[in-house]
Amino acid sequence: GQQVMQIPQYQHVQEGEDFTTYCNSSTTLSNIQWYKQRPGGHPVFLIQLVKSGEVKKQKRLTFQFGEAKKNSSLHITATQTTDVGTYFCAGAWSGNEKLTFGTGTRLTIIP
Amino acid sequence: DTAVSQTPKYLVTQMGNDKSIKCEQNLGHDTMYWYKQDSKKFLKIMFSYNNKELIINETVPNRFSPKSPDKAHLNLHINSLELGDSAVYFCASKLGTNTEAFFGQGTRLTVV
Repeated sequence: GQQVMQIPQYQHVQEGEDFTTYCNSSTTLSNIQWYKQRPGGHPVFLIQLVKSGEVKKQKRLTFQFGEAKKNSSLHITATQTTDVGTYFCAGAWSGNEKLTFGTGTRLTIIP
Repeated sequence: DTAVSQTPKYLVTQMGNDKSIKCEQNLGHDTMYWYKQDSKKFLKIMFSYNNKELIINETVPNRFSPKSPDKAHLNLHINSLELGDSAVYFCASKLGTNTEAFFGQGTRLTVV
């Protein structure tokens, strides 16, 4: 079936260090979305990538979509305590309304 | 003005009981979802409705039955609850294709 793999599952970083999480699909995606879930909260949409090779930035966050539209990454520069949470990618395929979530990367920050 | 609201927020019940979770969205969206998040935080899609019609039905025990009385509501009824049903259930909605999903606050179900 259509799956999205995400690594790493956990990441502990010192405050101020960078953080990256990666997603991979075995088949070409229509688009990929990224969500953040704070501890005890619900997933909140961050961004959507649609075009091959697309790069988008939101302040300290950089999102990339691979040329083949099979992989994506989220990079956070100089992490802060407010970045704590679980980051999910979610893939969608053409003609399919299903949004399939990756396994998530749980980010913890060591002050 | 809650966009996607779920009730109840917490639900503790005994094995074998039947329970329902309700979801309502006031965003005018045409697609609604139920996701299950287990203790490892995996988010798995269960069902999806588009304009009140079931379009996605993942491999879910038939003890779970969704109902969409109208586009703004998607309820989830669970029969004969089991310990393994304990999880957080999220309702979500979106409009059209290639758009973001809005999630409810979640319902933490604990079966004892």
